[in-house]
Amino acid sequence: NAGVTQTPKFQVLKTGQSMTLQCAQDMNHNSMYWYRQDPGMGLRLIYYSASEGTTDKGEVPNGYNVSRLNKREFSLRLESAAPSQTSVYFCASSEWTGSYNSPLHFGNGTRLTVT
Amino acid sequence: SQQGEEDPQALSIQEGENATMNCSYKTSINNLQWYRQNSGRGLVHLILIRSNEREKHSGRLRVTLDTSKKSSSLLITASRAADTASYFCATGRRGGATNKLIFGTGTLLAVQP
Repeated sequence: NAGVTQTPKFQVLKTGQSMTLQCAQDMNHNSMYWYRQDPGMGLRLIYYSASEGTTDKGEVPNGYNVSRLNKREFSLRLESAAPSQTSVYFCASSEWTGSYNSPLHFGNGTRLTVT
Repeated sequence: SQQGEEDPQALSIQEGENATMNCSYKTSINNLQWYRQNSGRGLVHLILIRSNEREKHSGRLRVTLDTSKKSSSLLITASRAADTASYFCATGRRGGATNKLIFGTGTLLAVQP
């Protein structure tokens, strides 16, 4: 099993450009998440989807949109990239709709640089 | 805002020694989880301890939880060079509609061969 797959692995954007980060999981998990990781800040939740058809804001949603395309796929879109969005983005999934009672499974990240 | 704070921020030990990392948090929790992150990779779940548990073991890992002090510790015994990684605690918060974990900033562990 592949687990959680993220594409692309690396991306460089110019300020104002848009892009979509893709994420897919093959574990039949209900819940999916997007985090960003910055030095000294730990992981911060951008958006999550407790189940197919629902999405909710996390701690740092501004500048991002998400789509839960189906049970397997959860994408993150940057409409107009800014240098402050330079970060490593992680997608994760969990079995239960309440993540506080089940572990997260992470992809290997997308390293995004906005110049 | 961060819920968990790991201590120390960085730790360097020799192979075979034990490594202890601590996590403090602020609000009531349902559970606390520990994750490992190797350089350039995603986080990997290590162990989950529920709020009504005091200690849990998994192989060379031992986790303790003291809810009265709002703190947890992760002990790695007989460390190996392959244990070199960042370690994060994450708390699942009690109550409310939040279906998310809050991560700390991590401890960077270096195990010297």
